[in-house]
Amino acid sequence: DQQVKQNSPSLSVQEGRISILNCDYTNSMFDYFLWYKKYPAEGPTFLISISSIKDKNEDGRFTVFLNKSAKHLSLHIVPSQPGDSAVYFCAASEDNYGQNFVFGPGTRLSVLP
Amino acid sequence: NAGVMQNPRHLVRRRGQEARLRCSPMKGHSHVYWYRQLPEEGLKFMVYLQKENIIDESGMPKERFSAEFPKEGPSILRIQQVVRGDSAAYFCASSLTMAHQETQYFGPGTRLLVL
Repeated sequence: DQQVKQNSPSLSVQEGRISILNCDYTNSMFDYFLWYKKYPAEGPTFLISISSIKDKNEDGRFTVFLNKSAKHLSLHIVPSQPGDSAVYFCAASEDNYGQNFVFGPGTRLSVLP
Repeated sequence: NAGVMQNPRHLVRRRGQEARLRCSPMKGHSHVYWYRQLPEEGLKFMVYLQKENIIDESGMPKERFSAEFPKEGPSILRIQQVVRGDSAAYFCASSLTMAHQETQYFGPGTRLLVL
């Protein structure tokens, strides 16, 4: 049973527009959430995180929103750039320790020029 | 500043053979984590090691899989008597301390194909 779900396997967006990647989770004990970005033939790289005491965290073009009551988070990228084309993984944990994270299956984002 | 290195990048094995995957952490990092990514799935934690010690192997299959991180040399993930279901991408990550997830740096992965 998947505790972290990313229901859109892929998403295509025009350059300059907003990309919205969604993530849903089932474990109400999850308290810390991260987004990773992965290019082909590379390992995932950390992008942005949010703890449950916040509902929004922003870093440049990237913003993560958390709705705890809906057990839903989303990553907004604006404006989208072709270099953002990658697979994005959502991950969640009951705490922020290194090995206790559950990853979603990923969403492949394609930003079209 | 070299990142996390994994070799081989691709490994093909026949059923019943052994697979050895190597991970050299970033310089100065003494914490290593192994993850497996099956097709169409997210990464799943397998094992967490600190030099010469296994700290958490709760994600490791009970049979055929083992991991070590010796005092000298890379961390090794060993899969004995491989089966087709072992075909996956295996990622290693390292961190300076047993700390927050953001401080883990991932290697490029080893793609294992079992024929």
